[in-house]
Amino acid sequence: DGGITQSPKYLFRKEGQNVTLSCEQNLNHDAMYWYRQDPGQGLRLIYYSQIVNDFQKGDIAEGYSVSREKKESFPLTVTSAQKNPTAFYLCASSITARSPEAFFGQGTRLTVV
Amino acid sequence: DAKTTQPPSMDCAEGRAANLPCNHSTISGNEYVYWYRQIHSQGPQYIIHGLKNNETNEMASLIITEDRKSSTLILPHATLRDTAVYYCIVRVAPGGGGNKLTFGTGTQLKVEL
Repeated sequence: DGGITQSPKYLFRKEGQNVTLSCEQNLNHDAMYWYRQDPGQGLRLIYYSQIVNDFQKGDIAEGYSVSREKKESFPLTVTSAQKNPTAFYLCASSITARSPEAFFGQGTRLTVV
Repeated sequence: DAKTTQPPSMDCAEGRAANLPCNHSTISGNEYVYWYRQIHSQGPQYIIHGLKNNETNEMASLIITEDRKSSTLILPHATLRDTAVYYCIVRVAPGGGGNKLTFGTGTQLKVEL
């Protein structure tokens, strides 16, 4: 089945360690996005990519990094520079950057201890 | 992007219509109204979007007032599985900046027996 897959669902890391969250899609979508959600809050955009080998900062990019070497993959690295990394991370994709509908993965809940 | 205002919570009896309001009094002429929903601890799901005409699909109907300053999402026969947070988002059509969505805190809809 086509879809967008995030793994793992739950992730635990020690403070000071970098961690990479996986996001893979087999929908042949050009555009991909990373959002962060804190308890009781809406989603905030971290990074987005309109096409392979291109990405742009969102509203809260500090302490995060991404790459888009393949169309189907858009991994997010949470670095030690991110002050409050514990959150629910959501990856999304859309057919193109102009498409009105975004498809979301099931999310990764990151806990830093 | 225009700001939206939604009630924090609503209740609805199963089988009845759920009418979720959204105010967007500062909406401009080229901004669309989008609705997404998020079931607990899952990724958001696209529901519907519109510019000025009423829209209907298999999930819901979107009624936009003539002055476009408010809209209502209608779930015609709510079920327990419709319990979720519903987000109303106003933004220009996706363009060069990508399909970036700004999610507020939404309306928690609780469907009860």
